[in-house]
Amino acid sequence: GQNIDQPTEMTATEGAIVQINCTYQTSGFNGLFWYQQHAGEAPTFLSYNVLDGLEEKGRFSSFLSRSKGYSYLLLKELQMKDSASYLCAVRGDSNYQLIWGAGTKLIIKP
Amino acid sequence: GAVVSQHPSRVICKSGTSVKIECRSLDFQATTMFWYRQFPKQSLMLMATSNEGSKATYEQGVEKDKFLINHASLTLSTLTVTSAHPEDSSFYICSATTGGPNEKLFFGSGTQLSVL
Repeated sequence: GQNIDQPTEMTATEGAIVQINCTYQTSGFNGLFWYQQHAGEAPTFLSYNVLDGLEEKGRFSSFLSRSKGYSYLLLKELQMKDSASYLCAVRGDSNYQLIWGAGTKLIIKP
Repeated sequence: GAVVSQHPSRVICKSGTSVKIECRSLDFQATTMFWYRQFPKQSLMLMATSNEGSKATYEQGVEKDKFLINHASLTLSTLTVTSAHPEDSSFYICSATTGGPNEKLFFGSGTQLSVL
């Protein structure tokens, strides 16, 4: 079957760094997405990885290892507004449909 | 960046009525749009894939006669929840793909449906 695993909840301190991991087992791989979702809102796009390595975009970075079926989202200089759920999604065999993880709820404390 | 507009953002209706949700890609043509629903504290669940000019492809377990999808143009897809019941209460989200080599998915703002 197809499966995406990520931690249910994480807690971090304002100003710190946090890494959210995502592991996947899918039939085929055509890219991995990270989305941020605040409560009651639709997800917003954060990053897209299709090749191995680290993609840096401001305070957020995303890493992919296809051989390990593993990705992480790294958030630096955490701000209170970063409190949200972070969804990992993989594009498997289909070019359009995504397989979604359940999301990681990130709680930022002062 | 690309924008997907979804309306209404919230709707409350009586059991047995039908509700239409619109999803528009404002600054790009979306040959493919997706409809998701999300229950509290759960992951997004794909309901159907909507292709312009053809019938939607529904995921297993989703009733096509209950959730009517119309993708009439390259910028508009609608989801109609027919004869809504309280168990249909959920957060419905549409998304559209830009296509091309750097394809991305962009999401509408979502519609919270509450059926009384």
